[in-house]
Amino acid sequence: NAGVMQNPRHLVRRRGQEARLRCSPMKGHSHVYWYRQLPEEGLKFMVYLQKENIIDESGMPKERFSAEFPKEGPSILRIQQVVRGDSAAYFCASSPGQGFNEQYFGPGTRLTVT
Amino acid sequence: QKEVEQDPGPLSVPEGAIVSLNCTYSNSAFQYFMWYRQYSRKGPELLMYTYSSGNKEDGRFTAQVDKSSKYISLFIRDSQPSDSATYLCAMSYGGSQGNLIFGKGTKLSVKP
Repeated sequence: NAGVMQNPRHLVRRRGQEARLRCSPMKGHSHVYWYRQLPEEGLKFMVYLQKENIIDESGMPKERFSAEFPKEGPSILRIQQVVRGDSAAYFCASSPGQGFNEQYFGPGTRLTVT
Repeated sequence: QKEVEQDPGPLSVPEGAIVSLNCTYSNSAFQYFMWYRQYSRKGPELLMYTYSSGNKEDGRFTAQVDKSSKYISLFIRDSQPSDSATYLCAMSYGGSQGNLIFGKGTKLSVKP
């Protein structure tokens, strides 16, 4: 049973470009969460999604960042016009359902903005 | 005051030692408490989760929650070099609020 999958594992973008990070949840999981980990910082929640629905985006920066989880296909975290401060590890987690369930994390995408 | 406080370490112990890792928190509304292990440049791996106060044991790991003191602990018995990693505590309000609030992590090194 495959775990949470994220791709790409490493992504390099120049300032001003767009970054698209993909996450496929564990089989049977319908809830996806995105977190960001900055150097020397803990994991910070960004957004919580179900299929075709954003449940909580309170941790998402107001500009340039968006997320979706379509009916078919992976969840996408999109960062437009990247800046150096966006360089971080972005982790996706999934859980089976609403309310608390254990969250299982993927290996992360390491974004470097040059 | 941060919501979740965790001593970053580093913590270095000899192989076979009992390790104690701790977090304190400020919000009494937290209901669920978790410990994750993160190896360098990898994703966090769920080790233990507990609901409300009490103890939970799984092999060499014991998680303890004291809600009256707003204090949680993870004990590792008979520590091994393979336990060397960063340990993250995390908490959740539960219900429809699914996001986890993490401590910054404690870096543990177990020396052979």
